[in-house]
Amino acid sequence: GAGVSQTPSNKVTEKGKYVELRCDPISGHTALYWYRQSLGQGPEFLIYFQGTGAADDSGLPNDRFFAVRPEGSVSTLKIQRTERGDSAVYLCASSLSGSSVDTQYFGPGTRLTVL
Amino acid sequence: AQKITQTQPGMFVQEKEAVTLDCTYDTSDPSYGLFWYKQPSSGEMIFLIYQGSYDQQNATEGRYSLNFQKARKSANLVISASQLGDSAMYFCAMREGPPRAQKLVFGQGTRLTINP
Repeated sequence: GAGVSQTPSNKVTEKGKYVELRCDPISGHTALYWYRQSLGQGPEFLIYFQGTGAADDSGLPNDRFFAVRPEGSVSTLKIQRTERGDSAVYLCASSLSGSSVDTQYFGPGTRLTVL
Repeated sequence: AQKITQTQPGMFVQEKEAVTLDCTYDTSDPSYGLFWYKQPSSGEMIFLIYQGSYDQQNATEGRYSLNFQKARKSANLVISASQLGDSAMYFCAMREGPPRAQKLVFGQGTRLTINP
């Protein structure tokens, strides 16, 4: 079946602008995660959704970052007043139920460049 | 403190040889899971293998096996009979028990290059 998809694959924006990144999880997966991967680093956790609600948003770096999942499927990560330091690959993952033994399956990522 | 440590920034191996990628972890939770992911140049994270802290046997998945030494807090990935397509970044990750059961904590990664 189809894996996790993310759009756009690349996004170039100017400092101060607003961006939205979209994630479409594997069908039937109730848990959805966002991670951020800076160049040369491992991914860092941002936020986790179980269904429609954000169960853990402890990784969001500040209040410029916000994510929603209104119908429990597609999620959108929103970044306001972008800064150059926000440049990174934003990875989305989903898992069947979010239990501790579930495997997280990742999408191809969105490469965000803030000029 | 680093929860996941991968001490090998880069590894170079001849095709068909076995390779071991090191991973040590730090946790006080008795319940945790360890994962290895492969990230080719395309950028997608590909799940390879999982080891639970209570699993009695080392995990294996085809050419991948996990050398789990609980007392030493190490979870090394072994790739047997390496292939050119194995060239990629490899990440070790840990998920601790509830209530933090969901997020993965990743190491810095090891770049593996398979030479023909």
